[in-house]
Amino acid sequence: EAGVVQSPRYKIIEKKQPVAFWCNPISGHNTLYWYLQNLGQGPELLIRYENEEAVDDSQLPKDRFSAERLKGVDSTLKIQPAELGDSAVYLCASSLPGGYNEQFFGPGTRLTVL
Amino acid sequence: LAKTTQPISMDSYEGQEVNITCSHNNIATNDYITWYQQFPSQGPRFIIQGYKTKVTNEVASLFIPADRKSSTLSLPRVSLSDTAVYYCLVGEPNTGGFKTIFGAGTRLFVKA
Repeated sequence: EAGVVQSPRYKIIEKKQPVAFWCNPISGHNTLYWYLQNLGQGPELLIRYENEEAVDDSQLPKDRFSAERLKGVDSTLKIQPAELGDSAVYLCASSLPGGYNEQFFGPGTRLTVL
Repeated sequence: LAKTTQPISMDSYEGQEVNITCSHNNIATNDYITWYQQFPSQGPRFIIQGYKTKVTNEVASLFIPADRKSSTLSLPRVSLSDTAVYYCLVGEPNTGGFKTIFGAGTRLFVKA
């Protein structure tokens, strides 16, 4: 069974440029999460989807971050414009619906903003 | 939301048993305790989950005392490949409004 797929694995951009990350969850996993992980810290939840609905986006900086999951499968996280402080690893995870189920994480996208 | 406290780091030697304790004094009645493991350049991986007493799987054991204000992840006979960061999470399953909070985790370093 394929795991959570993320692309790209690495991205280097200059500040003020836009950037997008893509995630394909495990088949059948209706719940999808985007996390941000800074060096030496644990992942921080940005947004959680149940199918195509964003059910928790309270930690998403909406002035520059946006996310979508149009058909309830793949998801895209966008930053526009990127700032130096956005340099981090962006993790996508998926799980079965219904609560605090095991989350399966992708390898992440390491973003460097110069 | 129940906050968790873990040691920042731990050292061990190959073949030893490692116990990592997590404090969660404000755990709620319906909260479960979950542990994840993370290797460098990878996403976290689920290890074990429990509600009370003891849970064991092929990877680890989870001990939860009666008051549930703490829990201990036990890794038997660790190897060099167990060097990773271990996260303790507390939350309520089967609700739509839960939040996932990882915290800083415990960095375990296994030496030869």
